Amino acid sequence: QLQLQESGPGLVKPSETLSLTCTVSGGSISSSSYYWGWIRQPPGKGLEWIGSIYYSGSTYYNPSLKSRVTISVDTSKNQFSLKLSSVTAADTAVYYCARHLVVDTAMGVNWFDPWGQGTLVTVSS
Amino acid sequence: SYELTQPPSVSVSPGQTARITCSGDALPKKYAYWYQQKSGQAPVLVIYEDSKRPSGIPERFSGSSSGTMATLTISGAQVEDEADYYCYSTDSSGNHLFGGGTKLTVL
Repeated sequence: QLQLQESGPGLVKPSETLSLTCTVSGGSISSSSYYWGWIRQPPGKGLEWIGSIYYSGSTYYNPSLKSRVTISVDTSKNQFSLKLSSVTAADTAVYYCARHLVVDTAMGVNWFDPWGQGTLVTVSS
Repeated sequence: SYELTQPPSVSVSPGQTARITCSGDALPKKYAYWYQQKSGQAPVLVIYEDSKRPSGIPERFSGSSSGTMATLTISGAQVEDEADYYCYSTDSSGNHLFGGGTKLTVL
């Protein structure tokens, strides 16, 4: 059974870079048809897609965050990572990683499943 | 910018049918998906490609889509179905987004 686990600092100072890693177990991150994504959820608010990466390193990001986001993959460790620069209090959220199945972009055939348990990152001095 | 619009809340009594809607201009051309998120937990996929149900999801969960509106229906809602529900889709530029979420109360 595929499982994902987020890890990283729970507290980041304003203007610094948030860094998280997602470790995939029970399956290979190099599986075809699957991207790997990051989604976040501010406390008490809704879900926001951050970006996704293919095992080859191909990425695409939410335009609203693109200038601050970098997602990378390490196939040897079965991990992928998120970096979000110049953070502010508005970046405080639970950050989830998830497998992103992308079948047909034109028809919008893609979904996130399963998800990691999520990790709360607070931006505060 | 593109948005998926959901009602903030829906309330039903146990055994009744709950319907949660999701409105978006791209839905006639893009599939809708539905996630259930119980308090303090990660979201779980309950409907994909408008109306398909993943294995392990109870049959009382169903989905449909017509025009610019997708609907999640829970037939005979149970207390354990109380959760936040989010629709998800893709816009014409290939960007992925979630609706604002609907809090389902079953009591």
